[in-house]
Amino acid sequence: GAVVSQHPSWVICKSGTSVKIECRSLDFQATTMFWYRQFPKQSLMLMATSNEGSKATYEQGVEKDKFLINHASLTLSTLTVTSAHPEDSSFYICSARCHECQGSSYEQYFGPGTRLTVT
Amino acid sequence: GQNIDQPTEMTATEGAIVQINCTYQTSGFNGLFWYQQHAGEAPTFLSYNVLDGLEEKGRFSSFLSRSKGYSYLLLKELQMKDSASYLCAVMDSNYQLIWGAGTKLIIKP
Repeated sequence: GAVVSQHPSWVICKSGTSVKIECRSLDFQATTMFWYRQFPKQSLMLMATSNEGSKATYEQGVEKDKFLINHASLTLSTLTVTSAHPEDSSFYICSARCHECQGSSYEQYFGPGTRLTVT
Repeated sequence: GQNIDQPTEMTATEGAIVQINCTYQTSGFNGLFWYQQHAGEAPTFLSYNVLDGLEEKGRFSSFLSRSKGYSYLLLKELQMKDSASYLCAVMDSNYQLIWGAGTKLIIKP
């Protein structure tokens, strides 16, 4: 149980275009999802916290107009990187909090990540 | 400010035991997590400690001392597949995870 999927797993796009990444909780309802970015050899950096049915909470320094987050249902959150630039190339990982799962109710289950390359 | 410290890199021998330390200073404490992350993959959950003491799960154990702001992850009977980065993360008073930079563990035959 507690599986999170991400799509696509990797994407290459041209500078100036937009890319949408989907994060789905497959066997549980996730009222809260998190979006992270990880550059090579660096730790996870939280970008935003997404709550179903409300606006996402962005971390300091993350442009909300550039990284659009939509959490329209209890099993789906999307991250759209608008007008992507080469410096946006990174590993984007989502996670979901599962309150009804065994173990800690605050444990985050991670998706497999999406590697974005902007040329 | 909030801070999580763990060694950048450690090397150990296959079959041996290794201890990865993590110290933290956070605004509030609602538990400490250890995650394993292989290169190019997302993190996977290893353990969660919210009370002082040792939690054992197979070859992996995690220890917590809240008064010292200290935790360690103990890996026994090391296998080559244990080569990965190990991330320490603390949940603060707002239930947000504060992440350490990770410890890259290299296992040698």
